[in-house]
Amino acid sequence: QKEVEQNSGPLSVPEGAIASLNCTYSDRVSQSFFWYRQYSGKSPELIMSIYSNGDKEDGRFTAQLNKASQYVSLLIRDSQPSDSATYLCAVKGGSARQLTFGSGTQLTVLP
Amino acid sequence: GAGVSQTPSNKVTEKGKYVELRCDPISGHTALYWYRQSLGQGPEFLIYFQGTGAADDSGLPNDRFFAVRPEGSVSTLKIQRTERGDSAVYLCASSSRGDRLDTIYFGEGSWLTVV
Repeated sequence: QKEVEQNSGPLSVPEGAIASLNCTYSDRVSQSFFWYRQYSGKSPELIMSIYSNGDKEDGRFTAQLNKASQYVSLLIRDSQPSDSATYLCAVKGGSARQLTFGSGTQLTVLP
Repeated sequence: GAGVSQTPSNKVTEKGKYVELRCDPISGHTALYWYRQSLGQGPEFLIYFQGTGAADDSGLPNDRFFAVRPEGSVSTLKIQRTERGDSAVYLCASSSRGDRLDTIYFGEGSWLTVV
């Protein structure tokens, strides 16, 4: 079982819709959770971080964390074609200082 | 510098050759990371430096891979006797302190192709 699991997609949503991206992790002592966006041929770019159970909102993005279920999600409201990218879920666990990444979900927003 | 800088941006080398990839982290960042990313996969951790020392090198796949950070700033990833399976994007990242709340910033990567 991979440590961080994401649906690889591709996920397609129409412009203006809500895109929902999901991630589960296996290490119960994980403490920090991150969503990175990666455009094709570019490096990962941090868009959200979350450390406590519940929701965290930043503009059109909402991250949700449920440590009991070991589940993290990212909602993108009013999706735009420019949101089309691969979204990487990453987890920092226990004493580890590095990030462990999922394989990413490819999102396409159709105009 | 303003961001994490990596050189070269692209490198094509022959199987069996030696390769060095360089990373210049964000100024003042004490933590430096190397990751490797293959097509369609997420970045895979290789090694983490806190200052000059390798705090965690558990991700290095074998003894052909080695990294140094002699003065606590610039780091070099060294790959000996390259194999075609080493072809990937090698990403360097840095963070200010290396603790659990730190944001990790990535460079644009060095695209390595072994032919």
